Amino acid sequence: AQTVTQSQPEMSVQEAETVTLSCTYDTSESDYYLFWYKQPPSRQMILVIRQEAYKQQNATENRFSVNFQKAAKSFSLKISDSQLGDAAMYFCAYGSGETSGSRLTFGEGTQLTVNP
Amino acid sequence: EPEVTQTPSHQVTQMGQEVILRCVPISNHLYFYWYRQILGQKVEFLVSFYNNEISEKSEIFDDQFSVERPDGSNFTLKIRSTKLEDSAMYFCASSEGLGSTNYGYTFGSGTRLTVV
Repeated sequence: AQTVTQSQPEMSVQEAETVTLSCTYDTSESDYYLFWYKQPPSRQMILVIRQEAYKQQNATENRFSVNFQKAAKSFSLKISDSQLGDAAMYFCAYGSGETSGSRLTFGEGTQLTVNP
Repeated sequence: EPEVTQTPSHQVTQMGQEVILRCVPISNHLYFYWYRQILGQKVEFLVSFYNNEISEKSEIFDDQFSVERPDGSNFTLKIRSTKLEDSAMYFCASSEGLGSTNYGYTFGSGTRLTVV
């Protein structure tokens, strides 16, 4: 079974600064997807960024980028130029790339605070 | 941007009562899911549904739970006899098959279930 671990329950960053959220995972599959979801106080789950394991290039979406280290099974999220609206709970999640419709496995989450 | 729609946004029910949570997945998605998040905890998989039948379920999804796709658009989660510990946020999600270009999981805004 796959597991996802987020070792930082809480992180804080100054507005306009950069912060990195950590995520490690364990799997025996060679083909999979990794996701970062943002959950603001409204508790909606919003997709931030997605990485396909077969792609060596790290995914980027505007101010959000990942550092995907497949051998180390590490998938960190970097937020540049942090904004007050980035304050939220962030979840790392794993999805199989070998079976359609498989479950997403989530980490415990990291609560990000952005200080003005 | 296509959305997954969930109703109601908040439901309060008496212990022992039956509740039905409703979801309208994205129309061209094939796979449908229910997840649960107890306050302050991580998101947990309940069940996945494909081709009008359950494809996978977790140990949480016991005989008190059932899912149904009663027509071409709705996807429902029924809890037969609610318990206090069923109080949680319930998320519906949907996805395409693995072959799609933008494979990923889209979540609804959630239904907050409170059992009193």
